[in-house]
Amino acid sequence: RKEVEQDPGPFNVPEGATVAFNCTYSNSASQSFFWYRQDCRKEPKLLMSVYSSGNEDGRFTAQLNRASQYISLLIRDSKLSDSATYLCVVTFNQAGTALIFGKGTTLSVSS
Amino acid sequence: DVKVTQSSRYLVKRTGEKVFLECVQDMDHENMFWYRQDPGLGLRLIYFSYDVKMKEKGDIPEGYSVSREKKERFSLILESASTNQTSMYLCASSPGTGKGRPQHFGDGTRLSIL
Repeated sequence: RKEVEQDPGPFNVPEGATVAFNCTYSNSASQSFFWYRQDCRKEPKLLMSVYSSGNEDGRFTAQLNRASQYISLLIRDSKLSDSATYLCVVTFNQAGTALIFGKGTTLSVSS
Repeated sequence: DVKVTQSSRYLVKRTGEKVFLECVQDMDHENMFWYRQDPGLGLRLIYFSYDVKMKEKGDIPEGYSVSREKKERFSLILESASTNQTSMYLCASSPGTGKGRPQHFGDGTRLSIL
């Protein structure tokens, strides 16, 4: 069975903190990996893709560990506006039509 | 920028009604998807389509059908709405080629069945 697991949180952190989320997946044949952000009562929006060598976009760093089958998202210098639910997504085929969303990790950044 | 448009943000229908949810994307994407999202259950795939007139069942297709007559439009149909179909419905599209092929979502339709 293909599964994607995330710690639901919530993670409550002060502004300026560094916070990390992990996501584990069960199928070693997984093809592509993404982090999405979802604000309350809004649609999920692509935050960043996750590449094998790891990648960074400003304050956000994503890493992939294929051997241990997990991906991570690191947020540095947290802002109030980072408060959201972060969804881990794993695709299992080249066409991108077989994928599973994790249930999300909730982050709350306070001043 | 990818634009996925869902026909309604909020919709209220009665039990037994036939309900149509429409989704249009403007990026010539091959793949289109319908999900529902409920508290504690996350996103669950109802149906997807990888080409015009092609459809595949997702994890929870019961009580739903879909139609894809044109590449840009993917419709979700609740044949006879029931109260357990009250939910947030999200449409997404993704390209059929290219690296990763992330999905892009519409704003969602919050459907209430009374």
